[in-house]
Formats: sequence, C-alpha cells, structure tokens
Amino acid sequence: QVQLQESGPRLVKPWETLSLTCTVSNGSISSSSYFWGWIRQPPGQGLEWLADISFSGTTYYNPSLKSRLTISIDTSKSQFSLTLTSVIATDTAVYYCARRIANWNYFDPWGQGTLVTVSS
Amino acid sequence: DIQMTQSPSSLSGSEGDRVTITCRSSQHITRYLNWYQHKLGKAPKLLIYSASTLQSGVPPRFSGSGYGTDFTLTISSLQPEDSAIYYCQQSYNFPWTFGQGTKVEIK
Repeated sequence: QVQLQESGPRLVKPWETLSLTCTVSNGSISSSSYFWGWIRQPPGQGLEWLADISFSGTTYYNPSLKSRLTISIDTSKSQFSLTLTSVIATDTAVYYCARRIANWNYFDPWGQGTLVTVSS
Repeated sequence: DIQMTQSPSSLSGSEGDRVTITCRSSQHITRYLNWYQHKLGKAPKLLIYSASTLQSGVPPRFSGSGYGTDFTLTISSLQPEDSAIYYCQQSYNFPWTFGQGTKVEIK
C-alpha cells in the first residue's frame, strides 16, 4: 500500500526557513481522488493541520500560518514539500505528511513523522 | 475555525472493558468526523471516517457514532494494544481541526 516518508533537517535556527519533503511510494501522487498534506504536533500538544495540495497544484493553507507557509508538489519525483519561514521556538514539533482522501477529507495514511527543533 | 472538544482527556480501563470517548464540535458538521489512534513514535492511524465507517483492517471492536455536533468512539472490549491517544478530526470546513486527544491506558 502507499507509504509516505518525511525528510529534511532536524535542526533549524531561529528566523531561518524550515524545509521538509515527503516522498510517496507504492502509489500514484497524480490522482484527483487525493490531496497531500502536512500536519504538525508540538511536544505535549495536539495535532495542527498546516496545508494541503492537489496533484495539479491547488493549495489550501491554515490561515493562522498562511503568511509563512508554502506547499508545493513535484509529481515527476512523487514528492511534495513544505516550507515554513521565520521559524521560532514554538515551531518545534513533529511534522507529519499525510494523504487526504477527497470528499470525506480524512487523512490516510500518514508518514512516521520527523521532529524538527528550532534552536540556535 | 471549528473547535473540537474531546472528553475525557484520559481514561484507564481493564482488559475487556467497554470505553467511550466523546467529541463535540463547535459547529454543525453533519457526519464529517474522523477518528485516529496515535501510539508513541508511530504514525497516526485512521480508525473511523464519516463518523461511523470503519477503516479497512481496523478491528470491529472499534465503532463510531454521531451526527451534527456530538460524536462518540467506542471500544467494545479494551485490549492491551489499544493503549494510545485517540483524536477526532472535523473534515467539514477548512481549516481541518483536531480534538486535543484522549489518552487511553490499560490497568
């Protein structure tokens, strides 16, 4: 079945840009039935949806972070990516990528997650 | 944003117990409610979508119900492997939002 794997730096300095990539395997990223998204979980806190993108590049952002977020997709590599600019300590979190199923809009499956720490 | 409120925040049960988790949305979301199980260090796992549809491969001891603003996740016979944090998520409107989680422990 389809699998997702996050990759990217584990440590980012304050005010710099966090960049993560999710690689999709054992399935097609180019389907109108799916969107591709990012969700994060700060230590000891709940889950926060960040952004979604369709295979054609239509994007959806959480308004609370929209000014700092960019999501993009590269269908030729079966990858989608997230950048978060001007990070601060509260952006420290486990970042998950996930597939969102259109219509009912649930997330399945999820990647294992990657802990990104913002620290100098 | 639609606020999702789960209760209780934690619960403890014995093997074989029936346990119920409640999720309430701040707005009417019809059946656009999903449940996830999250074990430490692992990827969250979809259990139920559209309030009551069991995801393929999920044991039938898990069930969901509800409509509108009030939803429940029930584990009919608690098993040791059910120790996890459970989250609800509304998928009615952007931004998608999650409950704060319910930690389930086995006595």
